[in-house]
This record gives sequence, C-alpha cells and structure tokens, in this order.
Amino acid sequence: NAGVTQTPKFQVLKTGQSMTLQCAQDMNHEYMSWYRQDPGMGLRLIHYSVGAGITDQGEVPNGYNVSRSTTEDFPLRLLSAAPSQTSVYFCASSYSPLGGGRTDTQYFGPGTRLTVL
Amino acid sequence: KQEVTQIPAALSVPEGENLVLNCSFTDSAIYNLQWFRQDPGKGLTSLLLIQSSQREQTSGRLNASLDKSSGRSTLYIAASQPGDSATYLCAVGEYGNKLVFGAGTILRVKS
Repeated sequence: NAGVTQTPKFQVLKTGQSMTLQCAQDMNHEYMSWYRQDPGMGLRLIHYSVGAGITDQGEVPNGYNVSRSTTEDFPLRLLSAAPSQTSVYFCASSYSPLGGGRTDTQYFGPGTRLTVL
Repeated sequence: KQEVTQIPAALSVPEGENLVLNCSFTDSAIYNLQWFRQDPGKGLTSLLLIQSSQREQTSGRLNASLDKSSGRSTLYIAASQPGDSATYLCAVGEYGNKLVFGAGTILRVKS
C-alpha cells in the first residue's frame, strides 16, 4: 500500500491563479479530509468527506472547493489564490462507517507546501 | 468551540530522561484523543489513539493517558533518545471524525 499520496510536493502561485492539490489513498477508506498547517498553529480542517459524493465544510473552508467522485481521490481546489493561503496542506484518510460516531486512526499524506505571491 | 492547548511549546532534554508532554482541551464531549509525531518537512504519524471510554494506551516506550472530566491528556516518553526529536501534536476527535489540533510541542533530545 502506498497509503496517502499528495501531489505536488511544492507549488508557487501568483495571486489570483487557481490550482488543484491532488490527494489519493489506496486503503479503501471512506473518510478523507484536508487540513492546513500554519506556523505556530495546529492543523485546521478545511473540508472533509465521509464517502464518495458527500462533502462538508470544516473550520476554514473559504476560498477552497472539494469534490469526491471516487473513494480513492479527494482533490482540493483553490479558486483564486491569495497570500493568506500560503501554508502547508495535508490530506488525511481513515476508515469510518457512514453515519457512525466512532472515530479511527487517521493517516496523513506528506503534505504540499504552497506559496502564494 | 473546542480549543486544544499543548504545554510546553518546546522542550530540550538530555538523552535517557523520562519526559511528559501535556495536552488540555476545553470541551469534554470528545470521541477520542490522538497523539501524532511530525518530523521536519514531513507528514504526521499517528502514535497512539485513545477512545473516549479508555484511560490510557501504551506502545513501546510511549504511554498516553486521558482524563475526559478534567480535559487533560499526557504523553509519557520513557528513556528518551535523540531519534525521538520531533514535534508532537495532540488532537481531539469530534463527531464526524473531525480532529481539532493543538499547536504542538517541539522536542529536542540531546545526545
């Protein structure tokens, strides 16, 4: 198993450009999520998905868009990049039954370091 | 809104010492608590997961405890080694498998 993979590893954008951060997992996990990590702060949840076709907002969703057409992939789209979106982005996945209240160990990808000029 | 605090923010110890990292949270309605390790420039690796009904979990030299009523968790590392140097993150799991993270403790173990 490759686990959770993210591409690209590094990206530099200009203000106003759009791009998609890719995330894939090969563990057949239902639950996937995106976090951003800023210096001196913990990770903050952007969007999450409890299964194919189902997504919801986290703590800091503005400026980001997601979709989940397959179990394996969960791309994060930046619609119009802003300097405030300079951050390290992590994708995570876990096995979690739809509608269940239990939580499971989450597996994180290696991250994408994004700089917006 | 759940808030997670980790103390200390940074810690430097000589090799061989036993050490304790602290995590506190404001809302006791959690489903679990996880401790992660993050190496510079890398992703997060899950170390221990404590379900809300459990009091502690152990893995090798690591032991994590959970006291929901007081909103506290500790991560105990026995006989620290230079290879333990990393940032340790505490995260509480809320309904829907959402994690709320603390800012982390940067640990340096000197040889």
